[in-house]
Amino acid sequence: DGGITQSPKYLFRKEGQNVTLSCEQNLNHDAMYWYRQDPGQGLRLIYYSQIVNDFQKGDIAEGYSVSREKKESFPLTVTSAQKNPTAFYLCASTNGGPAGEQYFGPGTRLTVT
Amino acid sequence: DAKTTQPPSMDCAEGRAANLPCNHSTISGNEYVYWYRQIHSQGPQYIIHGLKNNETNEMASLIITEDRKSSTLILPHATLRDTAVYYCIVRVLAANAGKSTFGDGTTLTVKP
Repeated sequence: DGGITQSPKYLFRKEGQNVTLSCEQNLNHDAMYWYRQDPGQGLRLIYYSQIVNDFQKGDIAEGYSVSREKKESFPLTVTSAQKNPTAFYLCASTNGGPAGEQYFGPGTRLTVT
Repeated sequence: DAKTTQPPSMDCAEGRAANLPCNHSTISGNEYVYWYRQIHSQGPQYIIHGLKNNETNEMASLIITEDRKSSTLILPHATLRDTAVYYCIVRVLAANAGKSTFGDGTTLTVKP
């Protein structure tokens, strides 16, 4: 089955540690995105990548880093510089077909204490 | 990408039509209107999109005003499972078109 996988579903880290969230897609999509969601709020764009080896900052990129070495993978690193890292993180990719819709992964809930 | 404005919450009786409005007064000529919904703690799900004509699929209908400055998503017979946050976004159609920005959406509560 084609889709987007994010792992793990729940992640716990101590403050001051960097943590990397995985996002893999087998949909052959060029564009991939990372969003952050805080309780009761909408999605905010962290980073996006339109093509391999290229990515751009979204609205809240500070304290995060990404890489796009392969078309199917777009990992997100939450660094110790991120002041409030506890959140629900969603990865998405975009379909190049007639609808152009975004497909979302199931998300990773990160808790930093 | 153009910005959208949605009411924060709405209620609807089960079995009745749910009409969710969205304002996008700064939409550009090549930007489409997309609707997604997010059920609690899951990834958002695509519902429908359109450019200027009204659209209908198995999930919903999309009505876009003639000036394209606003639209309405219609769930014709809402069920309890339609309770979710509904997001309206505008962006160009191309797959790698760049930023795709979501706002806070509308929380729709379908009541028995």
